[in-house]
Amino acid sequence: GAVVSQHPSWVICKSGTSVKIECRSLDFQATTMFWYRQFPKQSLMLMATSNEGSKATYEQGVEKDKFLINHASLTLSTLTVTSAHPEDSSFYICSARSVTHNQPQHFGDGTRLSIL
Amino acid sequence: DQQVKQNSPSLSVQEGRISILNCDYTNSMFDYFLWYKKYPAEGPTFLISISSIKDKNEDGRFTVFLNKSAKHLSLHIVPSQPGDSAVYFCAASGTYKYIFGTGTRLKVLA
Repeated sequence: GAVVSQHPSWVICKSGTSVKIECRSLDFQATTMFWYRQFPKQSLMLMATSNEGSKATYEQGVEKDKFLINHASLTLSTLTVTSAHPEDSSFYICSARSVTHNQPQHFGDGTRLSIL
Repeated sequence: DQQVKQNSPSLSVQEGRISILNCDYTNSMFDYFLWYKKYPAEGPTFLISISSIKDKNEDGRFTVFLNKSAKHLSLHIVPSQPGDSAVYFCAASGTYKYIFGTGTRLKVLA
């Protein structure tokens, strides 16, 4: 099946650091990638939709200057958490969907971000 | 406003029996529904989907039922196996976005 690779899987860093997370679709072209955040025992909350070659669409309440998204190619999207603070600690998951209509999103394995 | 709800946070089932996970939604514009399985510290894995033109879709041990009039879908797993123990999320889509439920933790007892 479709494979989405997310890197790194775990990051621990100091407050004020910027952290970049990569999401790659390995065996299909993804015109659209999605970034989610999951708090413990809660649902996956969509943060933003990333379209190749254009600006990301952010959900209400998500700071676009805080969470920078770049989707430079059909197989790579990156999320940069800028000047991270402890409240940004969370599980971040990306997903990708192929160009075919009504194909499911396939998810990466997530990145656990811990800000000290 | 929770558009997709999974009212049972957890479910325990004996190995070999049927597991039934339920999901309710409020938006009649949703036309595509999915179930994902998730282990701790991993991303969700796609299980099965159904479009609104169908009321049933089956894939091996997994069957999804859709009742549009009740705005309800369910996932049946039969027979349940210990390896099925995980958190199951339903998701609904009407555009390109998925709206996820809060998940049901399934525990299959050996």
